[in-house]
Amino acid sequence: GENVEQHPSTLSVQEGDSAVIKCTYSDSASNYFPWYKQELGKGPQLIIDIRSNVGEKKDQRIAVTLNKTAKHFSLHITETQPEDSAVYFCAALNQAGTALIFGKGTTLSVSS
Amino acid sequence: DGGITQSPKYLFRKEGQNVTLSCEQNLNHDAMYWYRQDPGQGLRLIYYSQIVNDFQKGDIAEGYSVSREKKESFPLTVTSAQKNPTAFYLCASRPGGLDYGYTFGSGTRLTVV
Repeated sequence: GENVEQHPSTLSVQEGDSAVIKCTYSDSASNYFPWYKQELGKGPQLIIDIRSNVGEKKDQRIAVTLNKTAKHFSLHITETQPEDSAVYFCAALNQAGTALIFGKGTTLSVSS
Repeated sequence: DGGITQSPKYLFRKEGQNVTLSCEQNLNHDAMYWYRQDPGQGLRLIYYSQIVNDFQKGDIAEGYSVSREKKESFPLTVTSAQKNPTAFYLCASRPGGLDYGYTFGSGTRLTVV
């Protein structure tokens, strides 16, 4: 079945360092790849997304890259800050284009 | 101020009882979704609806039921047939068409006592 794998499950960095989270997806027909940030006790919030006709997208300290051939996409956070600490989820649109399939999440801890 | 509201925030269920989780949105979104979140499991799709009076099963629909009588509302019932209902439940909506950006509610934590 359709699947999204996410690594690592936990990531600890020092403030100011970069953080990279990687995902792979199984369905080559997927064409939309969002990233969500979830703080404790809250619902996830969309932070950036990318469509399959684009290889990279950047928004201030956050960037996402997509390699459609390898079916990989990654989230890059530069100059990390303590408030970046949260759980991050990647997702891919299912083949039918009706719902998102989520990875299992990465817990990012940024220490000052 | 538009958004998506889930209630209650915490819910306790006795074994053998059905409970209903509420999800209401005032974003005029066409599609609505229910996901279940367990530690280390990510978000798993329970049910979704792309239009009023129509809904489809997700990956883990057994033991759950939904209705979509109004565009704004998509309640989820956790039935006694769901053997392990303790989890964090998230409702989401999106505009529809080619706009796939979800807006999530703040979740309901269900505990079986």
